[in-house]
Amino acid sequence: EAEVAQSPRYKITEKSQAVAFWCDPISGHATLYWYRQILGQGPELLVQFQDESVVDDSQLPKDRFSAERLKGVDSTLKIQPAELGDSAMYLCASSVPGQVGEQYFGPGTRLTVT
Amino acid sequence: GEDVEQSLFLSVREGDSSVINCTYTDSSSTYLYWYKQEPGAGLQLLTYIFSNMDMKQDQRLTVLLNKKDKHLSLRIADTQTGDSAIYFCAESIGDTDKLIFGTGTRLQVFP
Repeated sequence: EAEVAQSPRYKITEKSQAVAFWCDPISGHATLYWYRQILGQGPELLVQFQDESVVDDSQLPKDRFSAERLKGVDSTLKIQPAELGDSAMYLCASSVPGQVGEQYFGPGTRLTVT
Repeated sequence: GEDVEQSLFLSVREGDSSVINCTYTDSSSTYLYWYKQEPGAGLQLLTYIFSNMDMKQDQRLTVLLNKKDKHLSLRIADTQTGDSAIYFCAESIGDTDKLIFGTGTRLQVFP
């Protein structure tokens, strides 16, 4: 069964350092999402791509976060510089446009900033 | 703004039914969803209901929707230890792909 792949699974970094996460969606899924999930809370959408274009990045802290999906397939989310409050699980999901809500999630990257 | 609220914790005995409740605020939501998250894993879509439906049943899962009160519930029949996880309610924003998730309800099933 096709799955969303994410790496790394775990990342520990010191504050002020740069960190990057990678996501490979299910083949053929044009829509890709990055979520942040703080411990004890539900996922919060950071950015949504349709192919290589950003559809929604209204909740992305653009002073330190950036996301790209250059060829409309895999995607990278970067944080520079990392802050203590960025410690969270970063989840990637993908879907077929129009199949509202049927988002398929990867296992996530757990980031700890020290 | 949009807000989805859930109780934080539910504990049930194996074999009993579990009922997880959720309230939402966006009356224009087209779909409402239940996702399951096991420890250290991503979210898995369990089921969803279209906003013009009152009930949907899928094997051991029953979803009830009270649109007037903006209340959604998930009933799990014959709850098993493998059902122990965090359950998230989510609403779509209008007819978009954007989802707003609740805080999650941790279901613990004991023998």
